[in-house]
Amino acid sequence: DAKTTQPPSMDCAEGRAANLPCNHSTISGNEYVYWYRQIHSQGPQYIIHGLKNNETNEMASLIITEDRKSSTLILPHATLRDTAVYYCIVRPRRSGTASKLTFGTGTRLQVTL
Amino acid sequence: DAGITQSPRYKITETGRQVTLMCHQTWSHSYMFWYRQDLGHGLRLIYYSAAADITDKGEVPDGYVVSRSKTENFPLTLESATRSQTSVYFCASSESRQGQRSYGYTFGSGTRLTVV
Repeated sequence: DAKTTQPPSMDCAEGRAANLPCNHSTISGNEYVYWYRQIHSQGPQYIIHGLKNNETNEMASLIITEDRKSSTLILPHATLRDTAVYYCIVRPRRSGTASKLTFGTGTRLQVTL
Repeated sequence: DAGITQSPRYKITETGRQVTLMCHQTWSHSYMFWYRQDLGHGLRLIYYSAAADITDKGEVPDGYVVSRSKTENFPLTLESATRSQTSVYFCASSESRQGQRSYGYTFGSGTRLTVV
């Protein structure tokens, strides 16, 4: 499975956009990029995923570069409740088998007033 | 309520005791997973299951046993608890359809286990 690299921590002012980068330079063609977050002491929460096109949902936007070697998760208007550890995960799509998520150490996003 | 539930939320046990952590999901998801998370570390996969009666080891399976006799339940047993198994345990489920895009995991709220 492709390995991901994320900055260990980031700060963002409340109301501003939070842009969380992820490098996955060894990603292969059938691997998706997933983003999860974990708010203190809670179970991780799915945010968004994509293959090669940009994706948007009610929580966030995912921008994947054309060569798919990196991506950015965008929280358009960060709030204090978005303070969490954000995990970027590359997950292969293998039909018929359990496609496991492998978590790294993620980026700790601190949203401040 | 629909969802994925773990029990107990908190557990203290003594070294050498057997303890079972429960996980129940109401979606009939095929896949279920057990992770542990230690202070300052990410989540590590212990065991997973693709369907009832199908289980497989993850990254850190030693000292743990799982079973899956019913699709909705995936209990994790520590046969003889050790202090190194003090951790927060998360269960997750996922639905993945062959030939289609796979979907994300849904995690439970976790069980905080302390072995003394």
